[in-house]
Amino acid sequence: AQSVTQPDIHITVSEGASLELRCNYSYGATPYLFWYVQSPGQGLQLLLKYFSGDTLVQGIKGFEAEFKRSQSSFNLRKPSVHWSDAAEYFCAVASGGSYIPTFGRGTSLIVHP
Amino acid sequence: SQTIHQWPATLVQPVGSPLSLECTVEGTSNPNLYWYRQAAGRGLQLLFYSVGIGQISSEVPQNLSASRPQDRQFILSSKKLLLSDSGFYLCAWSVWVNRTQYFGPGTRLTVL
Repeated sequence: AQSVTQPDIHITVSEGASLELRCNYSYGATPYLFWYVQSPGQGLQLLLKYFSGDTLVQGIKGFEAEFKRSQSSFNLRKPSVHWSDAAEYFCAVASGGSYIPTFGRGTSLIVHP
Repeated sequence: SQTIHQWPATLVQPVGSPLSLECTVEGTSNPNLYWYRQAAGRGLQLLFYSVGIGQISSEVPQNLSASRPQDRQFILSSKKLLLSDSGFYLCAWSVWVNRTQYFGPGTRLTVL
């Protein structure tokens, strides 16, 4: 069965600093990988996704993620964080045989001015 | 382009009252549809999913039910709400080819 681990419940960064949110998955074959962002009281918005090809994926709002098969990871990065990036971030994985992704528990990003 | 709507946005209901939350999708045909619940400070819990009209799969036995009367309409219901039904309810859609889920704006339900 597929599973996703987001080891950091909370991350605090200063505005302008770089960001990396960790995501590890468990699945035998090449997975479908996703990152979503959720602002308070709102639905989830897709930031980026990886299916195949180039392992460095560019998304919206200046985010990128890198798929590392050897580490079973799909970490989300941003070179310079803005105060508006404060939100909850969810990593998700779907297998080739299922259309239902498994979501991580989420990482809450706090941005200090 | 595709859009997904949920209503109401917020709802306050007494314990024991019925519930009906609606979700509709525009701009796509035969989507897979999903209902999730998100308790305060917690992750997503998949409640129901549907791959077609009248086809409902339940992930968690509980006080809730779902129906899909039309291709792009998904309804979450309860006959008698419990306090534990409070939470943020999210509807999502996807198509098989890319497994990507797109979420609605959510409904905040408070049961008193």
